[in-house]
Amino acid sequence: EIVMTQSPATLSVSPGERATLSCRASQSVSSNLAWYQQKPGQAPRLLIYGASTRATGIPARFSGSGSGTEFTLTISSLQSEDFAVYYCQQYNNWPQYTFGQGTKLEIK
Amino acid sequence: QVQLVQSGAEVKKPGASVKVSCKASGYTFTSYDINWVRQATGQGLEWMGWMNPNSGNTGYAQKFQGRVTMTRNTSISTAYMELSSLRSEDTAVYYCARVDIYGPGAFDIWGQGTMVTVSS
Repeated sequence: EIVMTQSPATLSVSPGERATLSCRASQSVSSNLAWYQQKPGQAPRLLIYGASTRATGIPARFSGSGSGTEFTLTISSLQSEDFAVYYCQQYNNWPQYTFGQGTKLEIK
Repeated sequence: QVQLVQSGAEVKKPGASVKVSCKASGYTFTSYDINWVRQATGQGLEWMGWMNPNSGNTGYAQKFQGRVTMTRNTSISTAYMELSSLRSEDTAVYYCARVDIYGPGAFDIWGQGTMVTVSS
C-alpha cells in the first residue's frame, strides 16, 4: 500500500498571506495526485488533479506542483473561505486509492 | 446538474448490517466508477472500495474484505454499499464518489454523506 504523509498537521496563516501544504508518497505516484478541500459538515471537494491541474471552478489562487513522491499545494493569498482541512490522495495505484491524513489550515 | 444523492442517516446495533445507497443523476451512470470513502468524527478520509457500474466488478480495501459488498441497480442509476458485522468503530460518515472508469483519476463528484451510528 502506498502511504501518503501530509505536513504539517496544522498550519496557522493570516488572511492574505500564502499557505504551503506538503504531501509525500512512500513510493512514486508519478503525477497521479489530487488535492481536496473539506469544510466542517461538508463532503470533500476536488481542487487539483494530475498534481497541478485545477478542477472546474477552482480559483487561480490554488496551485499544485510536484511529481514522483513530493507534492505541494499552494494558496497564494488566503481568503476567509479557504480555512479548512486539505487532503492529498494518490490514484497511481488505481483502482486502489489512499489519502493523506490531512492538514488543517486555520486562521492565525 | 451532475450529482450523487445518498440515503439518510442510520442507527444500527453492533453485529447488524447497514446498506447505504447513492443515486446518480446528470450523467451516464455506467461511465464512472463509484467509490466509497468513510470518515469517523474528527478523523481523516478512509477509502473502502470501488465498483464499476457497467460490469459490476468490485475491489475492496483489505481492511474491509469479507465485510463490505458493493452493488448497483443500473435501471435506477443507484449504487449500494453494505457493511456487515458492524461494531462501534464503524460509526462514521460514509461518502460515495465517482471517478472516470477509464482512469486513473480523481474523485470529481461526491455524495453529501450518510451518517451511520453503531450503538447498543
